[in-house]
Amino acid sequence: GQNIDQPTEMTATEGAIVQINCTYQTSGFNGLFWYQQHAGEAPTFLSYNVLDGLEEKGRFSSFLSRSKGYSYLLLKELQMKDSASYLCAVSGTYKYIFGTGTRLKVLA
Amino acid sequence: ETGVTQTPRHLVMGMTNKKSLKCEQHLGHNAMYWYKQSAKKPLELMFVYNFKEQTENNSVPSRFSPECPNSSHLFLHLHTLQPEDSALYLCASSQGGGADTQYFGPGTRLTVL
Repeated sequence: GQNIDQPTEMTATEGAIVQINCTYQTSGFNGLFWYQQHAGEAPTFLSYNVLDGLEEKGRFSSFLSRSKGYSYLLLKELQMKDSASYLCAVSGTYKYIFGTGTRLKVLA
Repeated sequence: ETGVTQTPRHLVMGMTNKKSLKCEQHLGHNAMYWYKQSAKKPLELMFVYNFKEQTENNSVPSRFSPECPNSSHLFLHLHTLQPEDSALYLCASSQGGGADTQYFGPGTRLTVL
């Protein structure tokens, strides 16, 4: 079957680093996406990985290991505005599949 | 502002009503999507349109009826809905299908009484 797993909730402190993991099993693989979704708002694109390795974009980095079906999103120098849900999505043979999202709370 | 707009933002309807959700994208994309987002569940893909043609219907009940008159507009017609259909309905678009990044609208919060 097709499945994406990520933790339901995480808490971290302002200024810290947090890593959000995602494991997946899908039919086919055309890329893995991370989206950020603030409460009551639309998901917004953060990153895309299709090859193994680390993609860095400012305070956010995303890592992919296709052989392990594993990705993580790394957020550095956390800010209060980073409190949101982070959605892992895999583009499979025919369509996107989303995980349930990880709700991140950043505490002062 | 992602370039994808949705109206209305909030909708309350009875089970016997008929209503429509509208989505418009200003990005020149060729693919459009409807998703359902319920609490504590993953985003569920409902329908996909590529170049105005429906390419995916993810076993959605017939009380949801999509319409795509052109590549920029997408509608979701609703009739005789059930309370469990209450959710956030998100529209998205992408340049093509497959692995292209999707850009989401703000969603319509639907409540069925």
